[in-house]
Amino acid sequence: QKEVEQDPGPLSVPEGAIVSLNCTYSNSAFQYFMWYRQYSRKGPELLMYTYSSGNKEDGRFTAQVDKSSKYISLFIRDSQPSDSATYLCARGGYQKVTFGTGTKLQVIP
Amino acid sequence: SQTIHQWPATLVQPVGSPLSLECTVEGTSNPNLYWYRQAAGRGLQLLFYSVGIGQISSEVPQNLSASRPQDRQFILSSKKLLLSDSGFYLCAWSGVMMNTEAFFGQGTRLTVV
Repeated sequence: QKEVEQDPGPLSVPEGAIVSLNCTYSNSAFQYFMWYRQYSRKGPELLMYTYSSGNKEDGRFTAQVDKSSKYISLFIRDSQPSDSATYLCARGGYQKVTFGTGTKLQVIP
Repeated sequence: SQTIHQWPATLVQPVGSPLSLECTVEGTSNPNLYWYRQAAGRGLQLLFYSVGIGQISSEVPQNLSASRPQDRQFILSSKKLLLSDSGFYLCAWSGVMMNTEAFFGQGTRLTVV
């Protein structure tokens, strides 16, 4: 079983929609989670991180961790065409950061 | 501040030729270093990671090797490239604390012809 699993998509939504991106993780000891955004032909950039459980909000983006179900989510409100990218979830950990495979998102004007 | 440099940005190599991609990190000491690959339409695949000089862990057996000759230098190599080695190669670093983010270089797009 992979440490972090993510639906590869692609996910296509109209502009202004609320987007929900999700990952599951295997080890309940994991506490530190991150979301990255990757535009085409670029390296991934850190978008948000969360520690333990609960929500963290940054503008239109909200990261959520549900430890009971080992589920991590990224919500994007009022999605924009500029949000079109691949989104990767990750868990932090000693010696190695582990990534999901990424979900490709397209926001259609 | 910390920066990561990866080069070249694009590379076209014939089948059977050698490969050397280099990555260096500035502004930090003893980072964890990573090499990832993204094949076309595929996800992020961890190839190698290193926690120190000369310490390399291989995640996927393949035609590639990695070396860490200096604390902040990470090199990806191949003696003979295959067509299947084509892809987008990313170097990354993270700190040594328990909970830490990874930061990526801008990537090398390798096309083996």
